[in-house]
Amino acid sequence: SAVISQKPSRDICQRGTSLTIQCQVDSQVTMMFWYRQQPGQSLTLIATANQGSEATYESGFVIDKFPISRPNLTFSTLTVSNMSPEDSSIYLCSVRWQGAGTGELFFGEGSRLTVL
Amino acid sequence: QQPVQSPQAVILREGEDAVINCSSSKALYSVHWYRQKHGEAPVFLMILLKGGEQKGHDKISASFNEKKQQSSLYLTASQLSYSGTYFCGTETNTGNQFYFGTGTSLTVIP
Repeated sequence: SAVISQKPSRDICQRGTSLTIQCQVDSQVTMMFWYRQQPGQSLTLIATANQGSEATYESGFVIDKFPISRPNLTFSTLTVSNMSPEDSSIYLCSVRWQGAGTGELFFGEGSRLTVL
Repeated sequence: QQPVQSPQAVILREGEDAVINCSSSKALYSVHWYRQKHGEAPVFLMILLKGGEQKGHDKISASFNEKKQQSSLYLTASQLSYSGTYFCGTETNTGNQFYFGTGTSLTVIP
């Protein structure tokens, strides 16, 4: 299994500012995903971040707004830029663990952002 | 891209059974099932790969019909601990993306 540490766990931000969320994994993983989850809603894929390549963004999400770094196989960051109240949400990083052959996803505990 | 789940919500008494369905418009390579409790991250339940297999552990099982691009999760003799929101997760043949379904809220009452 993989243990994921995500920071910050929660933050309150002012409109127009940017915040960087960090995701640290205790083992090397190739595939990492960033999701957004509004209260009571499903998880929406923001981007797939594989080490050694540019992140792949889903429709409705752009690199200027959500830049992602993936410098190595155990770490990634997601920045939410120029925040507005509509960005208030829970952001989750997730890794695909292939070691056990199941390919299941493991999640960080999430970062709850509130934008005022 | 997002799979559609049905029903959206279900309330059960302990011991009753439930079926949750997941339907995709895309050809699928695998289907996962996760349960998320309030304020927590999703937790993996099981994975079904292309091939029409059925899996289960304890009183929770699932099937995957790749021709119909559908999967179903079966919960039998429900327990209070089964309460939560269930999501299917789908992986297509074409890429590394992983999409979650619309979700089904399941509440088990005594």
